[in-house]
Amino acid sequence: ILNVEQSPQSLHVQEGDSTNFTCSFPSSNFYALHWYRWETAKSPEALFVMTLNGDEKKKGRISATLNTKEGYSYLYIKGSQPEDSATYLCAFESGGSYIPTFGRGTSLIVHP
Amino acid sequence: DAGVTQSPTHLIKTRGQQVTLRCSPKSGHDTVSWYQQALGQGPQFIFQYYEEEERQRGNFPDRFSGHQFPNYSSELNVNALLLGDSALYLCASSLAAGPYSGNTIYFGEGSWLTVV
Repeated sequence: ILNVEQSPQSLHVQEGDSTNFTCSFPSSNFYALHWYRWETAKSPEALFVMTLNGDEKKKGRISATLNTKEGYSYLYIKGSQPEDSATYLCAFESGGSYIPTFGRGTSLIVHP
Repeated sequence: DAGVTQSPTHLIKTRGQQVTLRCSPKSGHDTVSWYQQALGQGPQFIFQYYEEEERQRGNFPDRFSGHQFPNYSSELNVNALLLGDSALYLCASSLAAGPYSGNTIYFGEGSWLTVV
């Protein structure tokens, strides 16, 4: 059973704050790491798929880094806005199964 | 371009009954996966269908079965429902040729199942 851990479990920030979350995953047999944003009553939205150690991806104010050797990825949000409020999920894809294993997510609430 | 669509959005069933959930993948996608998300958990992989066959299966009992049709749409069937089957069931589609890896996965909004 693959262990994918996300921290913190939940996070409350003020509008304009920058924040970051962590996704930890097995450091062996890595294939890909996915990040999703999931707003209430909507479908999870793909943010990034990262496949190479040292990868950095950016989409607007959101960016992500990847360290496959130590088994972690960071998601950063610069200048948080209320519309960033959502659950952020990461999913680890191993070379063995090629099926993403999800963490429990980080719930972000941005207060105006 | 319609994304992944699922039906029904909500349903209530009684213990012991059977349920069928439906999914239409994003246009052009040939691979459909089903996930169960219970309260406080991340999505748990149930199974994946490709070319009308179950390609991989997660740690779910045989009460969970599925089907993929020639148009790539898919059904998830759960027999002999238990209270613990109450969850959000997510369908995900992708385009895959060979190993299913590293491709962007698109999700539907899910079907909320409540078993009473």
